[in-house]
Amino acid sequence: ETGVTQTPRHLVMGMTNKKSLKCEQHLGHNAMYWYKQSAKKPLELMFVYNFKEQTENNSVPSRFSPECPNSSHLFLHLHTLQPEDSALYLCASSQDVAGREGPQYFGPGTRLTVL
Amino acid sequence: QKEVEQNSGPLSVPEGAIASLNCTYSDRGSQSFFWYRQYSGKSPELIMSIYSNGDKEDGRFTAQLNKASQYVSLLIRDSQPSDSATYLCAVRTGGGSYIPTFGRGTSLIVHP
Repeated sequence: ETGVTQTPRHLVMGMTNKKSLKCEQHLGHNAMYWYKQSAKKPLELMFVYNFKEQTENNSVPSRFSPECPNSSHLFLHLHTLQPEDSALYLCASSQDVAGREGPQYFGPGTRLTVL
Repeated sequence: QKEVEQNSGPLSVPEGAIASLNCTYSDRGSQSFFWYRQYSGKSPELIMSIYSNGDKEDGRFTAQLNKASQYVSLLIRDSQPSDSATYLCAVRTGGGSYIPTFGRGTSLIVHP
């Protein structure tokens, strides 16, 4: 699946580092999402952007900072993370029009390990 | 609080059998329904979308929607070991909320 790409695919960082995750969608969608999935746990919605405007911040700690410069690109800036933030971070996009909200298409994810 | 409920399983079926996965949802205003397959350590992959009551077939997969009873199901015919994965049900309510609700997923094991 090349519709939604994410980089890097794997990231190991210390608690004092600053890093960024990047997501790009090539599907012409208007909405983009960040999810966190910890081992053997369900998906946790973090942020939602529609037409590059943030519409949802699901009580995410401030050490996670999203950025959406346009409808095709989404970033997640990370700083001062904790070991419990180690997880699979998934980006998704969808095309939502009046009366019909489409399915989300997911990127391959970034496997993050915080030491 | 919008809820999507799935039996966590595991659901174990023999190869070649029909696997039946069920999902119930709490918001009667829900309009869009999706099934995803997720292999361990991988991202969810869209299998089916369904918007209207009734059945929708795509290859070995059939999605069934009953809005009156607030459930959606996924049937997998001729199950294969490669179908072993976690199946996620997702529901969207429309109205521009942009917030989908996912179930916790059902683990399916297809044994040879």
